[in-house]
Amino acid sequence: QQQVKQSPQSLIVQKGGISIINCAYENTAFDYFPWYQQFPGKGPALLIAIRPDVSEKKEGRFTISFNKSAKQFSLHIMDSQPGDSATYFCAASSPGRETSGSRLTFGEGTQLTVNP
Amino acid sequence: DGGITQSPKYLFRKEGQNVTLSCEQNLNHDAMYWYRQDPGQGLRLIYYSQIVNDFQKGDIAEGYSVSREKKESFPLTVTSAQKNPTAFYLCASSQPGQGPTGELFFGEGSRLTVL
Repeated sequence: QQQVKQSPQSLIVQKGGISIINCAYENTAFDYFPWYQQFPGKGPALLIAIRPDVSEKKEGRFTISFNKSAKQFSLHIMDSQPGDSATYFCAASSPGRETSGSRLTFGEGTQLTVNP
Repeated sequence: DGGITQSPKYLFRKEGQNVTLSCEQNLNHDAMYWYRQDPGQGLRLIYYSQIVNDFQKGDIAEGYSVSREKKESFPLTVTSAQKNPTAFYLCASSQPGQGPTGELFFGEGSRLTVL
């Protein structure tokens, strides 16, 4: 099963609050879990990524929490700002020799709105 | 500045017409991709190319065609056989060995509307 399920589909948070986006997967062979951020009218860009050998990775206000046994991972945005308003995609990569993009499965996306 | 340029940004097409979307990169990346983005469906891979003169079908290749005659260019043709072509199309590139498992670099997209 190659699906990655992402929730919620949309999220509204007040400035200064915590935004949490969740993803779940079935394929235990996935070995790399990136998050991409997409601003309106732009292409996605890599935000942060984690490998399954660690349970958490933090970069500034952005943290990925990873639960291997539950096959779930989540993005936490602390002190959310209006400039964080964007669509966020989780993804999971399966191992292999083919080029990276061909091994990525994306979640459905979450549209985050941070109100001032 | 290095990056990926997609054109046109907006395109309108009548049913039954083929249309070609342009994608050019100056990142010197070997691999290039085309994704389709629909609301609530994430990014779905249409075609990808790992080297010049070679390309493979992705998950939703039916009704699309590509070519890779130059390293910098990977145009996508949306043919009249594509049943639901109205969507946002994203081109991306990556370089094996650069960054963790090959970070994808995306263009700004082309929005195709079929009238």
